[in-house]
Amino acid sequence: GQSLEQPSEVTAVEGAIVQINCTYQTSGFYGLSWYQQHDGGAPTFLSYNGLDGLEETGRFSSFLSRSDSYGYLLLQELQMKDSASYFCAVIGSWGKLQFGAGTQVVVTP
Amino acid sequence: EAGVAQSPRYKIIEKRQSVAFWCNPISGHATLYWYQQILGQGPKLLIQFQNNGVVDDSQLPKDRFSAERLKGVDSTLKIQPAKLEDSAVYLCASSLEGGMGQPQHFGDGTRLSIL
Repeated sequence: GQSLEQPSEVTAVEGAIVQINCTYQTSGFYGLSWYQQHDGGAPTFLSYNGLDGLEETGRFSSFLSRSDSYGYLLLQELQMKDSASYFCAVIGSWGKLQFGAGTQVVVTP
Repeated sequence: EAGVAQSPRYKIIEKRQSVAFWCNPISGHATLYWYQQILGQGPKLLIQFQNNGVVDDSQLPKDRFSAERLKGVDSTLKIQPAKLEDSAVYLCASSLEGGMGQPQHFGDGTRLSIL
């Protein structure tokens, strides 16, 4: 079967660094994406890793290791507006996304 | 560019009633997705269209859910009859193509409550 695991909640202070891990078991793996969702809002695309390694986009970075079936999202210089749920999603055939249960990030002053 | 438009924003119905949701994707996007997101969970793909053809509907409960995308643009998702377990946010998303790594752009969703 297919499964994704990520922590349910992470709490950190403003300015800190947070790493959200994602491990997966799936067939037909084509990559890993990350989405952010604020309460009551729409998921928004953050990053995509198709190959092993690190992808950096501003304060956010994402990493993938296919051999370890593992990836992570790194949030740097945390801001209050980063309080949200973060989902890892495995990409299957035709770009189909299978989402994890999400990690709620709580940023405190 | 205008985003993905969905309506209605909220809907409350009683079990066994029927309901329909509408989605207008970003102009030029060939791929359209419908997701169900139950509170506290990640979005679950119900159906994926490439233009007006179905690419994946393996998780669509076909005894009660149906979807169509006429002319390869707008789409409607229908539930008939609704069950209590269908209470969720129904999200529509679109992407330029169904390719790997293509960002999916989501609408604000329809929040459905079944009484």
